[in-house]
Amino acid sequence: EVVLTQSPGTLSLSPGERATLSCRASQSIYNSFLAWYQFKPGQAPRLLIFGASSRVRGVPDRFSGGGSGTDFTLTISRLEPEDFAVYYCQQYGSSPPLTFGGGTKVEI
Amino acid sequence: QLQLQESGPGVVRPSETLSLTCTVSGGSISSGYYWGWIRQTPGKGLEWVATAYYTGSKYYNPSLKSRVTISVDTSRKFFSLNLFSVTASDTGLYYCARGDENLYGDYVTWYFDLWGRGTMVVVSS
Repeated sequence: EVVLTQSPGTLSLSPGERATLSCRASQSIYNSFLAWYQFKPGQAPRLLIFGASSRVRGVPDRFSGGGSGTDFTLTISRLEPEDFAVYYCQQYGSSPPLTFGGGTKVEI
Repeated sequence: QLQLQESGPGVVRPSETLSLTCTVSGGSISSGYYWGWIRQTPGKGLEWVATAYYTGSKYYNPSLKSRVTISVDTSRKFFSLNLFSVTASDTGLYYCARGDENLYGDYVTWYFDLWGRGTMVVVSS
C-alpha cells in the first residue's frame, strides 16, 4: 500500500499570501496519478487537481499542482478567504488500494 | 447538474450491518462513470472503501473486502454499501462519490470528481 505523507499538518497564513502544500509518497506514483481535494465542514469535498497538474474546470487558476515520482505539491498563489480549508492528496497510480494523505489544514 | 446524496441510519449497534445509500440526481448512473464510497474515521483518516460500475464490476479495499458489498441499482438511480459486523472503529463520516476511470497496468483505479456531503455513522450500543 502506498503511504502518502502530507506536510505541514497546519499552515497558518493570511489572505493574499502564497500557500505551498507537500504530498510525499512511499513509492513512485505511476504516470503522476495524483489528485488534490479541498474539504470544508458541512460541504461536499471538491476535486481541484488530477494527474498531478491538471486543474479541474471551474477551479481558479490560483490553484496549481506539480511534481512527479514521489514528491508532489499544491500551490495556492494568493489565498482568498474561501481557500481556508483542509486539503488532501490521493494517489491512484498503484495496485489497490488507492490511498489518501493525512491532510493539511490551511488556517488564517 | 449531477448531485449525490448519502443516506444512512446514523447509529448502528456493534456486530450489526451498516447499510448506506447514495441517490444520484440530475444525471445518469449508467453514464460511464464509476461509483464509490470513501470514509473518514478518527483512526485511519480518509479511506477508500469500494467502487462499482453499473454493469456489475465491483472493487474493494483489500482491508475491508471480507466485510463489505457494493451494488448499483440503475433502475432506481442509487448505489449502496453494506458493511457487516461493524465495530467502533467503523465510526466516521461516509461519503459517496463519482469515480473517473484510470488504468494502472491490469488495475482500474480512480480519482473522484464529484462527492456527496457525507453521512455520519456512529457504532454504539
